[in-house]
Amino acid sequence: EDKVVQSPLSLVVHEGDTVTLNCSYEVTNFRSLLWYKQEKKAPTFLFMLTSSGIEKKSGRLSSILDKKELFSILNITATQTGDSAVYLCAPRGDSSYKLIFGSGTRLLVRP
Amino acid sequence: NAGVTQTPKFQVLKTGQSMTLQCAQDMNHEYMSWYRQDPGMGLRLIHYSVGAGITDQGEVPNGYNVSRSTTEDFPLRLLSAAPSQTSVYFCASSQGPGQGAKGYTFGSGTRLTVV
Repeated sequence: EDKVVQSPLSLVVHEGDTVTLNCSYEVTNFRSLLWYKQEKKAPTFLFMLTSSGIEKKSGRLSSILDKKELFSILNITATQTGDSAVYLCAPRGDSSYKLIFGSGTRLLVRP
Repeated sequence: NAGVTQTPKFQVLKTGQSMTLQCAQDMNHEYMSWYRQDPGMGLRLIHYSVGAGITDQGEVPNGYNVSRSTTEDFPLRLLSAAPSQTSVYFCASSQGPGQGAKGYTFGSGTRLTVV
C-alpha cells in the first residue's frame, strides 16, 4: 500500500529562521514528487522533483529528493510571516494522474 | 483565465439528501480529480478521470458518483449524504503526461456540512 509520512506535523518559528520539512514515501513505480503550499484555500504548486538532486524556487525555497532512501526535504530559509501555511508532499506513482498526499506540515512563522 | 472553478463554495445538507458539486476547467486539461480534505488526514482521492468518457475510483469512492461528458466539466454527485461526508472538497486538473504535466491546478474548494 502506498504511504506518505510528513514530519513534523506542526512547527512554530520566528521570522528569519530556517526550517526543514520532511517527507518519506513508499509508492509503487515512483515517477515524481510534488510539493504544495496550502494557505486558507486551495493548494498551490511549488515544485515537482523527478530525479535525485536539488531544485530551487524563489531563492528561499529549495527541495531535495533522494530516490534511493525514499524521502524529500523542503527547506525554507529566512522565513517570513507569509510562509505560514500547510505544506503538502505528494508523490506520484504508476498512475501519473494520481497524487498521494501526506497529511502535511503546518508551519507558523511569528514576527 | 479562470482555471478551475468549483461551485458552490459552501453547502449544508441534511442526512439523506443528494446534491452535485460542480467543477469546470478552461485549460483543456485531460486529467481531472476530486479530493476530500479532512483535518489531519491530508487530501484523499475520491474519483478521477483521464479524459472525456473515462472515469475511475480513487481511495474513497463510496457514496459518490462522477461523470465526464466533456473535457471541461467533472461534477461530483453525493447520492445520499451522510455526516461522514462532511469535509472540504477540491477539484483539480492537470495536463496529460505527454504534455509536460506538472502539478495539478486546484479549485478553491467546497465546504460541505451534513447534519
